[in-house]
Amino acid sequence: DGGITQSPKYLFRKEGQNVTLSCEQNLNHDAMYWYRQDPGQGLRLIYYSQIVNDFQKGDIAEGYSVSREKKESFPLTVTSAQKNPTAFYLCASSIRDRLDNEQFFGPGTRLTVL
Amino acid sequence: GNSVTQMEGPVTLSEEAFLTINCTYTATGYPSLFWYVQYPGEGLQLLLKATKADDKGSNKGFEATYRKETTSFHLEKGSVQVSDSAVYFCALRDGATNKLIFGTGTLLAVQP
Repeated sequence: DGGITQSPKYLFRKEGQNVTLSCEQNLNHDAMYWYRQDPGQGLRLIYYSQIVNDFQKGDIAEGYSVSREKKESFPLTVTSAQKNPTAFYLCASSIRDRLDNEQFFGPGTRLTVL
Repeated sequence: GNSVTQMEGPVTLSEEAFLTINCTYTATGYPSLFWYVQYPGEGLQLLLKATKADDKGSNKGFEATYRKETTSFHLEKGSVQVSDSAVYFCALRDGATNKLIFGTGTLLAVQP
């Protein structure tokens, strides 16, 4: 079955540590996205990538980094520079340049900083 | 800039009641519009979409009509079920950047 997988489902981090969230898709989609979701708020875009080896900052990129070395993978690193990293992180993908730009979402990773 | 405004929740209904969740948008041009649903502890799933004015998106008994004159895309369902309890997000596609812009979400709680 095609889809998007995120791992782990729950992640705990001590303050001052970097942590990497995994996102893999087998939909053959060109574009991939990372969102952050906080209680009572909508989704905020962190980073996105339209093609391999290229990515752009979203609205809240500070304290985060990404890489796109393979089409199917788009890992997100939450660095110690991110002041309030506890949140629910969602990865998504879509076919590039489609008018309706339907995005398919993974199940999410809940990150808690202890 | 482009934006989406949704009615604040929570919306609490009894089973079989009629549902409306309001969504209005601000955008240049004619963006594509979406409703996504998020069940507890899960990612988002596309519920329905519309790509041009007067289009009606529908799925699982839910409907929404793209109203250009009122810049709205209200979500409706004639008879809700307990299993419809979830958070619903309205979103638009920004034509210039190809990014999705989401509303803040509306929590729907359906009681038996």
